[in-house]
Amino acid sequence: AQSVTQPDIHITVSEGASLELRCNYSYGATPYLFWYVQSPGQGLQLLLKYFSGDTLVQGIKGFEAEFKRSQSSFNLRKPSVHWSDAAEYFCAVGAGGSYIPTFGRGTSLIVHP
Amino acid sequence: KAGVTQTPRYLIKTRGQQVTLSCSPISGHRSVSWYQQTPGQGLQFLFEYFSETQRNKGNFPGRFSGRQFSNSRSEMNVSTLELGDSALYLCATSLGQSNNSPLHFGNGTRLTVT
Repeated sequence: AQSVTQPDIHITVSEGASLELRCNYSYGATPYLFWYVQSPGQGLQLLLKYFSGDTLVQGIKGFEAEFKRSQSSFNLRKPSVHWSDAAEYFCAVGAGGSYIPTFGRGTSLIVHP
Repeated sequence: KAGVTQTPRYLIKTRGQQVTLSCSPISGHRSVSWYQQTPGQGLQFLFEYFSETQRNKGNFPGRFSGRQFSNSRSEMNVSTLELGDSALYLCATSLGQSNNSPLHFGNGTRLTVT
């Protein structure tokens, strides 16, 4: 079965600084990979997804993620963080025959002015 | 296209009562999944329905149940409520026909059990 690890529970950055949120997965083949964002009091919103092809994928709100097979990672990046990016970020992997993605525990992003 | 609609947004119940939550999916989405989200346990999968059949089930007691109607709308029911059932319940829908179908989430129902 697949698994997802988000090693950082909380990340604090200053507004305007760059951001990288880590995600590691465990799966025998190439999985489908997703990043979701959850603002306070809201549901999760899809930021971006990777299925195949170019390993650098662009998403909404200026986010990008890079798939690295050798490291089993799918890290999320943003060159300059805005205060409105403060939220919970979830990495997820879709694999196997269940059609149900496996979610990581989430990383809470705090943005200082 | 309308998004995923969950009703009600907030609910307060007392221990021992039962509750029913509703989820209306995006038009054309046949898969509806339910998640429980709490600060301590994160996002936990409850069950998934596809074409009115429960296709996947998480590790929750039988007090948690669900169903899906022919129009893909889904309800989940929790009987004999416990304090620990206080959580944000999220519904997520998708086309449900492959592992690369992204989930579309509703804004959730916040359940408080007193």
